[in-house]
Amino acid sequence: DVKVTQSSRYLVKRTGEKVFLECVQDMDHENMFWYRQDPGLGLRLIYFSYDVKMKEKGDIPEGYSVSREKKERFSLILESASTNQTSMYLCASSLFPGSSPLHFGNGTRLTVT
Amino acid sequence: GESVGLHLPTLSVQEGDNSIINCAYSNSASDYFIWYKQESGKGPQFIIDIRSNMDKRQGQRVTVLLNKTVKHLSLQIAATQPGDSAVYFCAENIKGGSYIPTFGRGTSLIVHP
Repeated sequence: DVKVTQSSRYLVKRTGEKVFLECVQDMDHENMFWYRQDPGLGLRLIYFSYDVKMKEKGDIPEGYSVSREKKERFSLILESASTNQTSMYLCASSLFPGSSPLHFGNGTRLTVT
Repeated sequence: GESVGLHLPTLSVQEGDNSIINCAYSNSASDYFIWYKQESGKGPQFIIDIRSNMDKRQGQRVTVLLNKTVKHLSLQIAATQPGDSAVYFCAENIKGGSYIPTFGRGTSLIVHP
């Protein structure tokens, strides 16, 4: 079974802080994704990566960046956290996103005060 | 832009009833569809998928129906159980693009014992 692990379940940060959200998958998937989930808005794609050191913007990349130095690890970075970035963040990985499902972690609930 | 949507944000059923969750999609180029289940405090989990060359696919107690004529997808759950209570998302993958799945907003299924 694919395991996608997000390092923190809950985080509380202050406005202006730099925040790192870490995600690791154990199935050698090349494709990894970061989504945020807000009530009534579903899942919105922030960034994705098809390979090491490769990244592509999703639908809502503003205020975020990512890092993929190793195949198994995909990090989401909030350069200067703001209160509107309070949300549930979900990491996912996939073998072939066009023909196989995504495997999600259990999410990180981030609160920015 | 084109998007995936859900007809019913909340569906309440009695234990033992059959449940039907609907999803409309607007992109005729979509060729792979997935249903996910998200329980409270967890990330979305894959339930069942279907490709555009199929009309129906069955799993254990679940069936997905695809009507390409009207761009409609449904998830049927037989003999619904309290453990089926969750939020259900449909997602579509668009052929020829970057194969990034697009998610609907989700519908909440509540099963009453």
